[in-house]
Amino acid sequence: EVRLVESGGAVVQPGGSLRLSCLASGFIFDDYAMFWVRQVPGQGLEWVSLIKWDGEVTYYSDSVKGRFTVSRDNSKNTLYLQMNSLRSDDTAFYYCAKGGRSVVYGMDVWGQGTTVTVSS
Amino acid sequence: SYELTQPPSVSVSPGQTARITCSGDALPKKYTYWYQQKSGQAPVLVIYEDRKRPSGIPVRFSGSSSGTVATLTITGAHVEDEGDYYCFSTDSSDFYRVFGGGTTLTVL
Repeated sequence: EVRLVESGGAVVQPGGSLRLSCLASGFIFDDYAMFWVRQVPGQGLEWVSLIKWDGEVTYYSDSVKGRFTVSRDNSKNTLYLQMNSLRSDDTAFYYCAKGGRSVVYGMDVWGQGTTVTVSS
Repeated sequence: SYELTQPPSVSVSPGQTARITCSGDALPKKYTYWYQQKSGQAPVLVIYEDRKRPSGIPVRFSGSSSGTVATLTITGAHVEDEGDYYCFSTDSSDFYRVFGGGTTLTVL
């Protein structure tokens, strides 16, 4: 069974940093691209980032580009999202999701998410 | 920036057919994915690559795409199909991924 477990969500002050992790199991992690998606409570889904299976190609939404960095450690089956210069509008529920063997494909399995709150 | 446009809400009676549309300029050349999200839960993939149905998704869910409009069809909607539905695709540059604004489906 494919399983994705996010962790690292917390309350952080504006301007602060946080690193989210997503531990994957049940599939060959280094065969697949991976996504981060966020959702403000009561609002829609927002794509945040995408990383190729080997970590060598990354994509970001304009709202996080230059502040967030996606990475992966295939030896640990773990996806990361380093979030710097956090703002109040980064407050959201963050999901990781499994993509396809190529970055052209979308997500098929999602984790349960972790909460990030940016507040003073 | 690229946008996918969905109707905010769709309402049908049980057993009726629900259709949710998603409009985007790049859709003629890019796949559309559809996700169902029930209250308090993570999204679930219901249609991928325009019209393919993942294992475990009921056959009443189907997808199609024509020109700049992709459509999710639920033939004979059940009360348990209520929730928010999001389309997802890629812009023409392949640099950006985007979700539609979401459609709330009510079945009652």
